[in-house]
Amino acid sequence: GQNIDQPTEMTATEGAIVQINCTYQTSGFNGLFWYQQHAGEAPTFLSYNVLDGLEEKGRFSSFLSRSKGYSYLLLKELQMKDSASYLCAVRDTNNNAGNMLTFGGGTRLMVKP
Amino acid sequence: EAQVTQNPRYLITVTGKKLTVTCSQNMNHEYMSWYRQDPGLGLRQIYYSMNVEVTDKGDVPEGYKVSRKEKRNFPLILESPSPNQTSLYFCASRDPGREQYFGPGTRLTVT
Repeated sequence: GQNIDQPTEMTATEGAIVQINCTYQTSGFNGLFWYQQHAGEAPTFLSYNVLDGLEEKGRFSSFLSRSKGYSYLLLKELQMKDSASYLCAVRDTNNNAGNMLTFGGGTRLMVKP
Repeated sequence: EAQVTQNPRYLITVTGKKLTVTCSQNMNHEYMSWYRQDPGLGLRQIYYSMNVEVTDKGDVPEGYKVSRKEKRNFPLILESPSPNQTSLYFCASRDPGREQYFGPGTRLTVT
């Protein structure tokens, strides 16, 4: 099985930088995804990491360390609209041949003025 | 517009009354999945399908059925709904190795 841990809630200030961490345990790691989900809406894809290192996409970046079972999502120049839940999800080749994504519980980010 | 659609978006029903939630995608994706989302438990996969007539159980399949007779459609069937199936349901689709596209969600209440 898999164990994916994220903080439940975080608060940050508009214009600041926030880092949301995700740790995981898998037997056959095959990729990590970050999704954003506004309250009552569907999750939307943010980033994908399968190799170690940093992937940058505008104000959002995602980092992966496979040896440490660790990823983070970095949000820069925070805006009020970034208030949402951020979901970490891992694909495991040993979990139904890699056809299943396992999601963490999500981190609810509140951006304050 | 590329999208995943679900119907109905909201449903209140009673215990034991069979219901179907439809899901359709227009992106020609091979993989489709159903998830439920509950407070404190996150998104959990119910069933998934790798292609037409190929389905498999996810983490929480009990009380649900699915079918994949056409590539674009993946309905979720609750033969005898119970109150513990009250939840927010999402359908999703993707191509192998790619990100998931989620539908808008179906909020189901079983009384």
